Amino acid sequence: GDSVTQMEGPVTLSEEAFLTINCTYTATGYPSLFWYVQYPGEGLQLLLKATKADDKGSNKGFEATYRKETTSFHLEKGSVQVSDSAVYFCALSDRSSNTGKLIFGQGTTLQVKP
Amino acid sequence: EAGVTQSPTHLIKTRGQQVTLRCSPISGHTSVYWYQQALGLGLQFLLWYDEGEERNRGNFPPRFSGRQFPNYSSELNVNALELEDSALYLCASSRQGSYEQYFGPGTRLTVT
Repeated sequence: GDSVTQMEGPVTLSEEAFLTINCTYTATGYPSLFWYVQYPGEGLQLLLKATKADDKGSNKGFEATYRKETTSFHLEKGSVQVSDSAVYFCALSDRSSNTGKLIFGQGTTLQVKP
Repeated sequence: EAGVTQSPTHLIKTRGQQVTLRCSPISGHTSVYWYQQALGLGLQFLLWYDEGEERNRGNFPPRFSGRQFPNYSSELNVNALELEDSALYLCASSRQGSYEQYFGPGTRLTVT
């Protein structure tokens, strides 16, 4: 079945450092890919999305490119801030199967220190 | 535009009891999804409702059920609560045919 694998955390960075969180997926159909962020004590916020190969999603300085050849959707940010400390989830939705569900990776905790 | 709302925020129940969680989708959204986020188990899909019908359910026992009302709000019911039902229950909504899901703040359920 479809699955999403994220790099294990926690990831600890200093403010203004470069961030990469790796995400790879397995899907039999044509997935849409998403990154969600969860701040402590809150629900999930949609951070960015991509619906087809080579699409680049971007929002709030974060970017991720849908790479079909490597089945990857890595999240990047050039300069992180303390306020970016949160748990980041990579997810996919298989449009061809129309199950409605999002399949999530296990989440990666990011801690940014001043 | 108001986001997805959920109630209550927190809930403490005893094993064997029943609980009802509520969700109101974003205006204009007709699909509602329920997920369970249990410690150590990640985010698991529970149920999908669209236009008042159950469209899909995840790998959960029948004591997890729900419904969607004509105004597209939804309830999740859990009967015969077990300790392992302790989790954050997240509701999400989307426009019909869209794969973008927007989440509410969740209901934290603790079963003692």
